[in-house]
Amino acid sequence: KAGVTQTPRYLIKTRGQQVTLSCSPISGHRSVSWYQQTPGQGLQFLFEYFSETQRNKGNFPGRFSGRQFSNSRSEMNVSTLELGDSALYLCASSPGGNSYGYTFGSGTRLTVV
Amino acid sequence: AQRVTQPEKLLSVFKGAPVELKCNYSYSGSPELFWYVQYSRQRLQLLLRHISRESIKGFTADLNKGETSFHLKKPFAQEEDSAMYYCALPFMNNNAGNMLTFGGGTRLMVKP
Repeated sequence: KAGVTQTPRYLIKTRGQQVTLSCSPISGHRSVSWYQQTPGQGLQFLFEYFSETQRNKGNFPGRFSGRQFSNSRSEMNVSTLELGDSALYLCASSPGGNSYGYTFGSGTRLTVV
Repeated sequence: AQRVTQPEKLLSVFKGAPVELKCNYSYSGSPELFWYVQYSRQRLQLLLRHISRESIKGFTADLNKGETSFHLKKPFAQEEDSAMYYCALPFMNNNAGNMLTFGGGTRLMVKP
């Protein structure tokens, strides 16, 4: 079965712009989680969506938001981009109950200039 | 707050040597812990989890509650083990859900 698909793979944006990243989970998986990976901070949890509802949220400013659609596909949006938002954004899907069934996507590398 | 610490950013060993990647956590209850691996140009993937007590690719990890550690071990390292390794602890709160606290990662380099 197809894995977790993230689009686009690479993105270059200018400070102040906004960006939307997309994640298509494994078929049948209802939970989608987002992580930010940077050399300095490592992997940090952004938020998790389950059945179109945000179930958990990490410690990120309100500029970071997301949503999930009825087909479980998820998008995350970052508004008013800052240089420090440059990172690899990873999406992980799982059947839903807990972290044990996590499957990660390849990520979207966002560069803010 | 729960925390996962991997004290070594880089671990370099020769092929055939034993490997131990250290992971310490802070959590007051009975944790579930994972090791994830990221090979070059590949996605992050689950290597093993504490609850299953399995051995994957020759790696094992034992939970030591007294020392709050979950070190990853392999008796004989192979060149193909070279990768980035992350220890992870699920968020433990009242919400159901999928959230992991990751350690900072250790890059393992196995030299020929």
